[in-house]
Amino acid sequence: GAVVSQHPSWVICKSGTSVKIECRSLDFQATTMFWYRQFPKQSLMLMATSNEGSKATYEQGVEKDKFLINHASLTLSTLTVTSAHPEDSSFYICSARILVAGSTDTQYFGPGTRLTVL
Amino acid sequence: DAKTTQPTSMDCAEGRAANLPCNHSTISGNEYVYWYRQIHSQGPQYIIHGLKNNETNEMASLIITEDRKSSTLILPHATLRDTAVYYCISSRRAGNEKLTFGTGTRLTIIP
Repeated sequence: GAVVSQHPSWVICKSGTSVKIECRSLDFQATTMFWYRQFPKQSLMLMATSNEGSKATYEQGVEKDKFLINHASLTLSTLTVTSAHPEDSSFYICSARILVAGSTDTQYFGPGTRLTVL
Repeated sequence: DAKTTQPTSMDCAEGRAANLPCNHSTISGNEYVYWYRQIHSQGPQYIIHGLKNNETNEMASLIITEDRKSSTLILPHATLRDTAVYYCISSRRAGNEKLTFGTGTRLTIIP
């Protein structure tokens, strides 16, 4: 149980185009999902927190108009990188909150999406 | 969230127990210790978490000192597939809070 998937697993796009990344919780409902970014040889950095049915909360320095997040259902959140540029090339990873009353409250992560912008 | 410190890297022989230390001397009373690992080019994998008591699951054991200022993750019989970066994170409620990933410990299992 507690599987989080991402699609696509990798994508190459031209500069100036937009790319959408999907994050799904496959066997549980997630009221909260998170989007992280990881540059080569660096650790994960949180970009935004997404709650189902409400606007995402972005970390300082992350442009909300560039990284559009939609969490329209309890099992799906999407991240759209608009007008992508080479500096947006990175490994994008989502996570979903799993809450089991009295025992577990943690995040399970997806496998990541590698974005390369030419 | 309290800051954690971990060794940069460790080696362990295949089949032996891997003991990964973590210091969290400023942890507050309501913060848990979480462990994740990240195998190359994959998303982090949840391993285990605990508050005060030692914990064990099918993947690992977590030993937390009585003063809660440090902990040790134990992989009882390390295999080559355990080679990864291991992150120790303190958080009140990891499911509902941002997780601050440090640099972690790069564990290499030696055949």
